[in-house]
Amino acid sequence: EAGVTQFPSHSVIEKGQTVTLRCDPISGHDNLYWYRRVMGKEIKFLLHFVKESKQDESGMPNNRFLAERTGGTYSTLKVQPAELEDSGVYFCASSQVRLAGYQETQYFGPGTRLLVL
Amino acid sequence: GIQVEQSPPDLILQEGANSTLRCNFSDSVNNLQWFHQNPWGQLINLFYIPSGTKQNGRLSATTVATERYSLLYISSSQTTDSGVYFCAVERGNAGGTSYGKLTFGQGTILTVHP
Repeated sequence: EAGVTQFPSHSVIEKGQTVTLRCDPISGHDNLYWYRRVMGKEIKFLLHFVKESKQDESGMPNNRFLAERTGGTYSTLKVQPAELEDSGVYFCASSQVRLAGYQETQYFGPGTRLLVL
Repeated sequence: GIQVEQSPPDLILQEGANSTLRCNFSDSVNNLQWFHQNPWGQLINLFYIPSGTKQNGRLSATTVATERYSLLYISSSQTTDSGVYFCAVERGNAGGTSYGKLTFGQGTILTVHP
């Protein structure tokens, strides 16, 4: 079974440009999460999809970030326009459907390393 | 929100030594996971352990949910164990319904010398 995959693995862009990150969750996982680790700080939650619906986007830093999950499969995270402070590692995770009282392991992808110059 | 504190922040060992990493959290949780971030930056699942004890080879973990802490034990450490170890929790409410997002600790940086 394939794990969570992310593309690209690295991205170097200039301030003001646009970057789109992609995440393919484990097949059959309805829950999809985005996290990021800014240099020197802890890994922080960005948002959570259940299928194509945004369940929780409380961690999105500002309106320069747009996440989509059309069709409930893969997800994209677009940063437009990118700023220097957006540099870091962006992780995607997925888990199986959440049943009442049943918690699932979140499986993480390898991350996308974004550098904004 | 829930607070997660890991200790120690840094740990240096000789190959073959044992170690214990600790994770304290400030509220009740429905999910607790331990991860190892390898030198390539990948987050590798070690344990899903909201309560109880689990073992996997040289690694074991114990979570005492009522006292809000978890411990990760590494025995007979190897150089490949080097990296950052993260504890992450998902806050739960009294009814057991969780909120989905994981809150991470700052991590413990482990260096194992040959």
